[in-house]
Amino acid sequence: RKEVEQDPGPFNVPEGATVAFNCTYSNSASQSFFWYRQDCRKEPKLLMSVYSSGNEDGRFTAQLNRASQYISLLIRDSKLSDSATYLCAAPGDGTSYGKLTFGQGTILTVHP
Amino acid sequence: DVKVTQSSRYLVKRTGEKVFLECVQDMDHENMFWYRQDPGLGLRLIYFSYDVKMKEKGDIPEGYSVSREKKERFSLILESASTNQTSMYLCASSITDATYEQYFGPGTRLTVT
Repeated sequence: RKEVEQDPGPFNVPEGATVAFNCTYSNSASQSFFWYRQDCRKEPKLLMSVYSSGNEDGRFTAQLNRASQYISLLIRDSKLSDSATYLCAAPGDGTSYGKLTFGQGTILTVHP
Repeated sequence: DVKVTQSSRYLVKRTGEKVFLECVQDMDHENMFWYRQDPGLGLRLIYFSYDVKMKEKGDIPEGYSVSREKKERFSLILESASTNQTSMYLCASSITDATYEQYFGPGTRLTVT
């Protein structure tokens, strides 16, 4: 099993739709999780951090399910500007010194 | 705001050349990382450093070396560039605490011909 795994998509949704991505992780001891947004040919930028059950920031909600070892990202009322690749990250197995393992990313396209 | 800068946005080198990629962060972070990103393969860790002069191999260190002589600067060296090292190279930094949040530089798109 990969340490961090995402459905690569692509997800194509209309403006205004609600879309959710899941990300599974293998290290049951992980305490912190992250969603990054990456625009085409740009660097990943931190979108949300998740340290307990979940986190909400405007239209974005991240949730953590420890029992099933996955995190999710919910985007409500999608905008054209939400089109990007969304990467999830978690401390990997046996990690140290702040190492993160990243999923391959989920591609989201929001169309008019 | 954390600022991570990389020496070049685009670089074209010839096979066999020695290539230096530099990364500088201005937030006094202890940890620094070098990744490469390729379509379908995601972000892969090449090397990381948790202190000055300290380094550890990541998942794909072959063909690369690193140098960290000052806390704010972390260099990636391609000893003899090859075409399969054509990639996007991303540097990141983080503080040593339980949060693990990493902040990325803008990336260097390296083409080896």
